[in-house]
Amino acid sequence: NAGVMQNPRHLVRRRGQEARLRCSPMKGHSHVYWYRQLPEEGLKFMVYLQKENIIDESGMPKERFSAEFPKEGPSILRIQQVVRGDSAAYFCASSPLGTDGELFFGEGSRLTVL
Amino acid sequence: DQQVKQNSPSLSVQEGRISILNCDYTNSMFDYFLWYKKYPAEGPTFLISISSIKDKNEDGRFTVFLNKSAKHLSLHIVPSQPGDSAVYFCAAKGSGGSNYKLTFGKGTLLTVNP
Repeated sequence: NAGVMQNPRHLVRRRGQEARLRCSPMKGHSHVYWYRQLPEEGLKFMVYLQKENIIDESGMPKERFSAEFPKEGPSILRIQQVVRGDSAAYFCASSPLGTDGELFFGEGSRLTVL
Repeated sequence: DQQVKQNSPSLSVQEGRISILNCDYTNSMFDYFLWYKKYPAEGPTFLISISSIKDKNEDGRFTVFLNKSAKHLSLHIVPSQPGDSAVYFCAAKGSGGSNYKLTFGKGTLLTVNP
């Protein structure tokens, strides 16, 4: 009974490159959330997706960031033209219900921008 | 604008004693509160929660108290064990259209000394 799977666990990119972070929710979960944790900060909501739908992307920067959760395959958080300020831990969570219950988090993807 | 505040970045206690972690919130629309525990290089793990209709919830060694009038909650761990050493995040969510969105505090690093 696998939990939320995120990969890569660690990613190093140079400024201007693209970063792609993947998340497979727990079996039976159809709701995916992405959170970002900057150094010395708490987790901040970025985006909430259901299969093929973005429900709420209010926490995501307007430029360079995008997210998808296709019908088949993992959810992907994409960051284009990365800058040093994008260095953070990106956590994916899933839930069986969209509006209640706790979230189950993955182990995170740590992005370092050189 | 921090809506969930954990004012103690760290706390150190002796094994067997009580650990008390505090959390304050400012948004009166929050009606459900959760505590997550996080070990280094891992994702947050749900610990315990409380609804605003209650003032106490207990689960084994962990008890959460909610004081709505003071907009304050606390997590009590008794007796504390070395394995409890981790970062503890307080999180809150509200009712209404965005009730899937968790707002996290910055966390408190608990160290339990043998």
